[in-house]
Amino acid sequence: DTGVSQNPRHKITKRGQNVTFRCDPISEHNRLYWYRQTLGQGPEFLTYFQNEAQLEKSRLLSDRFSAERPKGSFSTLEIQRTEQGDSAMYLCASSFPPRQGNEQFFGPGTRLTVL
Amino acid sequence: EDKVVQSPLSLVVHEGDTVTLNCSYEVTNFRSLLWYKQEKKAPTFLFMLTSSGIEKKSGRLSSILDKKELFSILNITATQTGDSAVYLCAVEARFGPGSSNTGKLIFGQGTTLQVKP
Repeated sequence: DTGVSQNPRHKITKRGQNVTFRCDPISEHNRLYWYRQTLGQGPEFLTYFQNEAQLEKSRLLSDRFSAERPKGSFSTLEIQRTEQGDSAMYLCASSFPPRQGNEQFFGPGTRLTVL
Repeated sequence: EDKVVQSPLSLVVHEGDTVTLNCSYEVTNFRSLLWYKQEKKAPTFLFMLTSSGIEKKSGRLSSILDKKELFSILNITATQTGDSAVYLCAVEARFGPGSSNTGKLIFGQGTTLQVKP
């Protein structure tokens, strides 16, 4: 499978715990995005990497959230001291403009439940 | 503030019907408009539109963009039960007022389509 992959697919944690998600983009895609989606809503942008550089962060990304993309390949999103409001689907997407016109291809997501 | 609004929010039709989904937007530094289909998993890409008046087609699905009136429509003809999904409209825009980078997708709430046999 050459699509975007994410692990784990589901995560249940207790409030206050730290969690880390991983995203493997489509190989050769230099852009990587993280989005968060809550029930009944469209995805909301969290952060963006071009290669290994984190170029943009949404104000939704509080200081409890941190993302990395070492070596410009896979990325991790860590949430520290989780809160119940963090429960959501976390989606990763990648793209390789301009050849593909910046169409973003999404992974299956990690569903986080904070108890 | 940038926003994308889809209508209707939900729709129930019978197989064989034709449906039209609407997407309007107010976005600074518009780059493109994208349609995705989401079936309880990752959104899957359908269309990307950048120019007004040019229809894009893929099988029974088609879409067109009006950059003057700031909207797009997605048409599905001869609907099938497999078309049941949430259809998301997204606009690519600048990341923020002080940013020169684009690539952030701003999504609408989605239209939930249910096709009954």
